[in-house]
Amino acid sequence: AQSVTQLGSHVSVSEGALVLLRCNYSSSVPPYLFWYVQYPNQGLQLLLKYTTGATLVKGINGFEAEFKKSETSFHLTKPSAHMSDAAEYFCAVSSSTGTASKLTFGTGTRLQVTL
Amino acid sequence: GAVVSQHPSWVICKSGTSVKIECRSLDFQATTMFWYRQFPKQSLMLMATSNEGSKATYEQGVEKDKFLINHASLTLSTLTVTSAHPEDSSFYICSARGGQGKGGYTFGSGTRLTVV
Repeated sequence: AQSVTQLGSHVSVSEGALVLLRCNYSSSVPPYLFWYVQYPNQGLQLLLKYTTGATLVKGINGFEAEFKKSETSFHLTKPSAHMSDAAEYFCAVSSSTGTASKLTFGTGTRLQVTL
Repeated sequence: GAVVSQHPSWVICKSGTSVKIECRSLDFQATTMFWYRQFPKQSLMLMATSNEGSKATYEQGVEKDKFLINHASLTLSTLTVTSAHPEDSSFYICSARGGQGKGGYTFGSGTRLTVV
């Protein structure tokens, strides 16, 4: 079984400030972890993913996340927020790379960026 | 990069009618596709796993006779909402694994269904 917990359904930061979106996971097997962004009335766009190897993962648009097994966390960060980063962010986990492996989502965090 | 095309992007239909949503993988083969439903300001709820050439696997609580899934080829899966009612109004999203490198999932752009 696997699950994802995203702390904070809503996060507000000023433009230029650090963005930190929290994600903790639970998995009985080594997890594959993902962060997706969703803009209104659109599908999901992959920001970054961790499967194996380096625990610090860099993604698109300046985002990065670090897989910390001891803390079962995969928090998403960006050094400097931009207005265009305002969106819904979802953390997700799957158990393998198999094509039929399900993706389990967290409840999402809405990021607001203010001037 | 990998692309999943989903159509239509929005549809309005009358109660009692059926609506078909298509999901195509454009540049990779997808033996498995996933169908999600998303309520306003909520996360994605997996409805079913669509398997090419075989029956779909539905999640608990999802009515298989209401949400018909057909995966006729390696690049096409369809979701038909039969005898639609206002409570079926929602945002439906498909996804497929493949084309994004190891482990990646590609999502369609979603379909906003409104039943009046």
